[in-house]
Amino acid sequence: AQTVTQSQPEMSVQEAETVTLSCTYDTSENNYYLFWYKQPPSRQMILVIRQEAYKQQNATENRFSVNFQKAAKSFSLKISDSQLGDTAMYFCAFKAQGGSEKLVFGKGTKLTVNP
Amino acid sequence: GAVVSQHPSWVICKSGTSVKIECRSLDFQATTMFWYRQFPKQSLMLMATSNEGSKATYEQGVEKDKFLINHASLTLSTLTVTSAHPEDSSFYICSARLGGDYGYTFGSGTRLTVV
Repeated sequence: AQTVTQSQPEMSVQEAETVTLSCTYDTSENNYYLFWYKQPPSRQMILVIRQEAYKQQNATENRFSVNFQKAAKSFSLKISDSQLGDTAMYFCAFKAQGGSEKLVFGKGTKLTVNP
Repeated sequence: GAVVSQHPSWVICKSGTSVKIECRSLDFQATTMFWYRQFPKQSLMLMATSNEGSKATYEQGVEKDKFLINHASLTLSTLTVTSAHPEDSSFYICSARLGGDYGYTFGSGTRLTVV
């Protein structure tokens, strides 16, 4: 069974600075997808970024980028130029390609951006 | 983009009554939907996977007779909490699988309070 571990329950960062959230996962699958979701105080789950395991290039979405290390089974999220609106819970999630369609979530990291 | 509309956003009910939560895919057909429960400051816990036209698949430990899931059409899945008790109070979120491995989209959640 796949597991996703987020070792940082809480983090804080000053506005305009850069912060990195860590995520590691365990799987025997070779093909899979990884996601970072954001859950702001409204509790709406919002997709931040996704990565296909077969792609070596790290995904980037504006201020958000990932450092995907397949061999190390690591998938960290870097937020550049942090904004107050980035304050949220961030969940790392895994989905195997084919087979089960379930998303496996980590326990989340609460990020606070301070003015 | 693909939107899942979830209603109601909050509901208060008396112990022993039943509550129905609806999730509709507005601009796409959702053959598979997922129902999650989220306790405060915790991650999403998958309760069940519903497939259009067939019985839902429940996760271990989830009472299928208490949490009735119906996915009668490609755009509507419902979760009914039967004979609700205060311990059923929680935040419930639905999610739909997007085709082509573009991930998942989430409803805005329902806060259920049983008094």
